[in-house]
Amino acid sequence: DGGITQSPKYLFRKEGQNVTLSCEQNLNHDAMYWYRQDPGQGLRLIYYSQIVNDFQKGDIAEGYSVSREKKESFPLTVTSAQKNPTAFYLCASRGTGPYNEQFFGPGTRLTVL
Amino acid sequence: SQQGEEDPQALSIQEGENATMNCSYKTSINNLQWYRQNSGRGLVHLILIRSNEREKHSGRLRVTLDTSKKSSSLLITASRAADTASYFCATDAAYNFNKFYFGSGTKLNVKP
Repeated sequence: DGGITQSPKYLFRKEGQNVTLSCEQNLNHDAMYWYRQDPGQGLRLIYYSQIVNDFQKGDIAEGYSVSREKKESFPLTVTSAQKNPTAFYLCASRGTGPYNEQFFGPGTRLTVL
Repeated sequence: SQQGEEDPQALSIQEGENATMNCSYKTSINNLQWYRQNSGRGLVHLILIRSNEREKHSGRLRVTLDTSKKSSSLLITASRAADTASYFCATDAAYNFNKFYFGSGTKLNVKP
């Protein structure tokens, strides 16, 4: 069953703690993405990676970090430097080339207590 | 900054009616994509239209693209209660097709 998995579905964090969100895909896609969505808003790009061991900052990278050690995995760490981390986080992947759609995971809802 | 912007922000119609949503963007693109999101879920890809295409159909969906006006529309015909969701357009940039910009979405409510 091909697709993108994100875990956990819900995550609670105390202020000052780092937390890592998991994203795995078995679609053999080169490109992977992390987005943040706030209530009633659209998606904002945090980081994206076009190939293993390479990634680029999106529009709101401050307070976040990523790694891309394997093609199928793109974990996102929300650090204590992120001022307002409570949000819905979505991971996506996409095949190579300009005319491929993005496929999204089910999302992780992070709440900072 | 975000490139795609949808309007209206919210739309409420009766089942069986058509729903039209619009998207505007700012810079040249390679393609424009429409997605649906049910509350609290991930996004589902609906349709992709290339910059050299003017219209595309998929089932009850019809998408148009006017690159001269930098705008697109999504038409859902014969709407159903199950179409209730938020709809987003996403554009890439002609200089970087790996980076996408999403609008804030149109929230569609289809009343049974």
